[in-house]
Amino acid sequence: EVHLLESGGGLVQPGGSLRLFCAASEFTFSNYAMGWVRQAPGKGLEWVSAINDVGDDSFYADSVKGRFTISRDNSKNTLYLQMNSLRAEDTAVYYCAKGRRESGPYSYIESWGQGTLVTVSS
Amino acid sequence: DIQMTQSPSTLSASVGDRVTITCRASQSISTWLAWYQQKPGKAPNLLIYKASGLQSGVPSGFSGSGSGTEFTLTISSLQPDDFATYYCLQYNSYPFTFGPGTKVDFK
Repeated sequence: EVHLLESGGGLVQPGGSLRLFCAASEFTFSNYAMGWVRQAPGKGLEWVSAINDVGDDSFYADSVKGRFTISRDNSKNTLYLQMNSLRAEDTAVYYCAKGRRESGPYSYIESWGQGTLVTVSS
Repeated sequence: DIQMTQSPSTLSASVGDRVTITCRASQSISTWLAWYQQKPGKAPNLLIYKASGLQSGVPSGFSGSGSGTEFTLTISSLQPDDFATYYCLQYNSYPFTFGPGTKVDFK
């Protein structure tokens, strides 16, 4: 069974930075696109970012473009999200997500971690 | 960017009811649409991919249909475990976008 374990969340002041980690296991990490999805308290799901299997192509929501950077280390089975210039509206549970591509150009989200809470507040 | 809408936003139903949720895209996304179920305090769970593909392990009472801009998720006979919030996701093009969700609660 796919296992995704997020860490790195916490309380940060507006304008600050935080790095999220997602440790993956029980599947061949380097074969799959990965991404991040967030959910603000009491709100719906918001897609944040994705990266391809080899790590040379990445995509971002307009709301985080230029502030967040997704990356991966396939030798460590780990996905990252570097978050800079954090704002109060970035407060959310951040989920790590594993992609799967049955056909077509892109992968849908097949599996999710349990999430890590990021709170941006002074 | 592609915008996704869902209707209704809330649906009150009883065990045994047939339930249909609609998701619409602002432009054609072919069949690149997935459906997820989320319960409070839990991560979402994949139900349907490519508009109508049933994810392994998901009960056969769930089904999806549609193409282009209009899609539906149907629960043939609502079970107690099905009371949850449901989201659609378009993965036709980046940035991916979720619908706002449909909460299915007890009538």
